[in-house]
Amino acid sequence: GENVEQHPSTLSVQEGDSAVIKCTYSDSASNYFPWYKQELGKGPQLIIDIRSNVGEKKDQRIAVTLNKTAKHFSLHITETQPEDSAVYFCAANTGGFKTIFGAGTRLFVKA
Amino acid sequence: DGGITQSPKYLFRKEGQNVTLSCEQNLNHDAMYWYRQDPGQGLRLIYYSQIVNDFQKGDIAEGYSVSREKKESFPLTVTSAQKNPTAFYLCASSPGDAYGYTFGSGTRLTVV
Repeated sequence: GENVEQHPSTLSVQEGDSAVIKCTYSDSASNYFPWYKQELGKGPQLIIDIRSNVGEKKDQRIAVTLNKTAKHFSLHITETQPEDSAVYFCAANTGGFKTIFGAGTRLFVKA
Repeated sequence: DGGITQSPKYLFRKEGQNVTLSCEQNLNHDAMYWYRQDPGQGLRLIYYSQIVNDFQKGDIAEGYSVSREKKESFPLTVTSAQKNPTAFYLCASSPGDAYGYTFGSGTRLTVV
């Protein structure tokens, strides 16, 4: 079955710097890759997603890139702010209502 | 506002007890899901339902049961057969397959 690996597990950056979180997946049939942000004590919130027919997608300070050949995708956050501090999860959907999540990255943005 | 409501926020279970976690959505989504979250392990799928009166086991269904009698509701019962139930439980919904999820705010279950 599908396996999603996420790195790093913890990331600390200075306010205003960029943050990059990387994920790899194993199933070449995966076709949908969402990213979620989870704040303490809350449920995850979808922040951006990308489908397999697209290589890059941007939404203000957030961008996601997908390399289907290498089976990896990345989340890029520019001009980080303290409110970006949270746990971020990548995920991969292989169809059949199965979405596999990475283990999460805890991002700290230092003011 | 549309969304998913989970209740209660905190739940305490005694050994040998069954408990039921509530999940209600008003997004008119067909699909609903239950995930378990443990520290450092991401989210693991317990059960999912594509449509009313139908549901499938996820990766860790043992010790859990669900029902989907209404489109809006997808309650999860944690039975006494679940030996390690202490966790954060998240309910989610989506319009269909390969769409982003809307999550509830979660229920933290603790065995006492």
